[in-house]
Amino acid sequence: AQSVAQPEDQVNVAEGNPLTVKCTYSVSGNPYLFWYVQYPNRGLQFLLKYITGDNLVKGSYGFEAEFNKSQTSFHLKKPSALVSDSALYFCAVRRGGGGADGLTFGKGTHLIIQP
Amino acid sequence: DAGVIQSPRHEVTEMGQEVTLRCKPISGHDYLFWYRQTMMRGLELLIYFNNNVPIDDSGMPEDRFSAKMPNASFSTLKIQPSEPRDSAVYFCASSLGRTGGHHEQFFGPGTRLTVL
Repeated sequence: AQSVAQPEDQVNVAEGNPLTVKCTYSVSGNPYLFWYVQYPNRGLQFLLKYITGDNLVKGSYGFEAEFNKSQTSFHLKKPSALVSDSALYFCAVRRGGGGADGLTFGKGTHLIIQP
Repeated sequence: DAGVIQSPRHEVTEMGQEVTLRCKPISGHDYLFWYRQTMMRGLELLIYFNNNVPIDDSGMPEDRFSAKMPNASFSTLKIQPSEPRDSAVYFCASSLGRTGGHHEQFFGPGTRLTVL
């Protein structure tokens, strides 16, 4: 069975400071990893993904994430936080390979950027 | 493209009533997923389809839940009879899974279901 852990329910960061939202995963075989963001009363918006290749992936709104196979981690980062980044962030995993598969999500991390 | 479309956006019903949630995936996508989000359990996969065929329904909570995809542009999730514990936000998502696909899933805005 696959699983995702987001160890922090909430992360508080001052505007302009770098931010990190942590994610570790467990899956058989090679993972496909994703980050999504959810604003209040909205659906999930795709931010970025790791499928293969460079361990550092860049996504929307200046976010990036680093895939670390040995630590089974896929932490989300941004060099300079904006107040508008405040939202609920989900990490998700599925088994790699052709076709598609349902995603397994973490519990989510509330990111709060303080002005 | 308009993205994934779900209806209704909000549904309030009484226990025992039948509820039908609807989804229109992004045109050309060959996979469709139904998820449920609750405070207690987070986001859970209920069922997914490939080319209109159900592939994995192991996440469907019980027989009261059923899902269909009669064609490539429409899917329904039905709860009959509904119970208060079914109250949740139900999301539909679609993706392009065949060779050359982009792997990520695109989510609809969700249907907030309240069962009284």
